[in-house]
Amino acid sequence: QKEVEQNSGPLSVPEGAIASLNCTYSDRGSQSFFWYRQYSGKSPELIMSIYSNGDKEDGRFTAQLNKASQYVSLLIRDSQPSDSATYLCAVPGYSSASKIIFGSGTRLSIRP
Amino acid sequence: EAQVTQNPRYLITVTGKKLTVTCSQNMNHEYMSWYRQDPGLGLRQIYYSMNVEVTDKGDVPEGYKVSRKEKRNFPLILESPSPNQTSLYFCASTTSGGAREQFFGPGTRLTVL
Repeated sequence: QKEVEQNSGPLSVPEGAIASLNCTYSDRGSQSFFWYRQYSGKSPELIMSIYSNGDKEDGRFTAQLNKASQYVSLLIRDSQPSDSATYLCAVPGYSSASKIIFGSGTRLSIRP
Repeated sequence: EAQVTQNPRYLITVTGKKLTVTCSQNMNHEYMSWYRQDPGLGLRQIYYSMNVEVTDKGDVPEGYKVSRKEKRNFPLILESPSPNQTSLYFCASTTSGGAREQFFGPGTRLTVL
């Protein structure tokens, strides 16, 4: 089992709809969780971080964390064409917080 | 402006010719990392550094070296590059404390012939 798993997609969502991206992780001791957005040919950019169970909202983005089930998700409301990108889930290792494991990413495509 | 810089951005070289990719950050972060990104394999950590003179291996360290003589700089060294090291490389600088939020450089696209 991979340490951080994401559905590779592509996930196609109509403009204006909600895009839902999921990530599962294996290290039960992990305390912090991150979502990065990466446009093609560009570097990853941090868009959300979450540390506690529940929801965290920032503009059109909502991160959801469930430590008992070991999953973290990202919801994007009112999806825009500019949201088309690859979304990476990242989880620092519990034993070594400097070692950060990335999922392979979910490619999201917003169709007009 | 807070940033991570990498040089060069693009490099084509030949097998066995030593090269160095530089990375510099101006955020006074203690933690820095190097990643490579390959299609279908995502971002894989090569090496990371927790402070000056403190480095450790990531998931794919073979064929790479790093050094951390100053807090702001974290160069990646390929002593004898091989074609399987053709990849997109990212340097990242990480906030300390519990956050571990990473800021990435613009990337270096390396081709080894």
